[in-house]
Amino acid sequence: EAGVTQFPSHSVIEKGQTVTLRCDPISGHDNLYWYRRVMGKEIKFLLHFVKESKQDESGMPNNRFLAERTGGTYSTLKVQPAELEDSGVYFCASSQERGRNTGELFFGEGSRLTVL
Amino acid sequence: DQQVKQNSPSLSVQEGRISILNCDYTNSMFDYFLWYKKYPAEGPTFLISISSIKDKNEDGRFTVFLNKSAKHLSLHIVPSQPGDSAVYFCAASAGGAGSYQLTFGKGTKLSVIP
Repeated sequence: EAGVTQFPSHSVIEKGQTVTLRCDPISGHDNLYWYRRVMGKEIKFLLHFVKESKQDESGMPNNRFLAERTGGTYSTLKVQPAELEDSGVYFCASSQERGRNTGELFFGEGSRLTVL
Repeated sequence: DQQVKQNSPSLSVQEGRISILNCDYTNSMFDYFLWYKKYPAEGPTFLISISSIKDKNEDGRFTVFLNKSAKHLSLHIVPSQPGDSAVYFCAASAGGAGSYQLTFGKGTKLSVIP
């Protein structure tokens, strides 16, 4: 069974440009999450989808970030325009329906974003 | 304002000995705690979890202890193996196992020396 896959693995862009990160969750997982780790800091929650609906987007830093999950399958996270402080590793995670497991999230390898 | 703190950025342990990784939290609403393990260039991998109604959970070489009064949990690895060398993240959530907004600590890098 394929795990959570993320693309690209690394993106280098200039300040003011746009970047779109993609996440393909594990097949059958309704829950999809985005987390971010900025250099030297903790991994922080950004948002949570249940199928195509945003369940919780309280962690989104500002309106330069837009997440979508078309048809409840893959998800994209767009940063427009990118700023220097957006640099970090963006992790996507997925899980089965709530209440059916131990709370385990399956994480992807992350997309490293470098804004110059 | 860090709600989950891992005060030791690194830890070195001899192979075969016990590794003890510590984690403190400040939010009294946290009721579910998890440990994740992360190798370089990979995403975090779930290791073990514990609900606040328990004070211990064991899975093979890994045991997590929870002290609610002290708002402290620890992960014990016995015996430690070189393959355990990784960064370990403590995480917590409020709302039980069904709540997946995890709050992470900064991680502790464990090095197991052969």
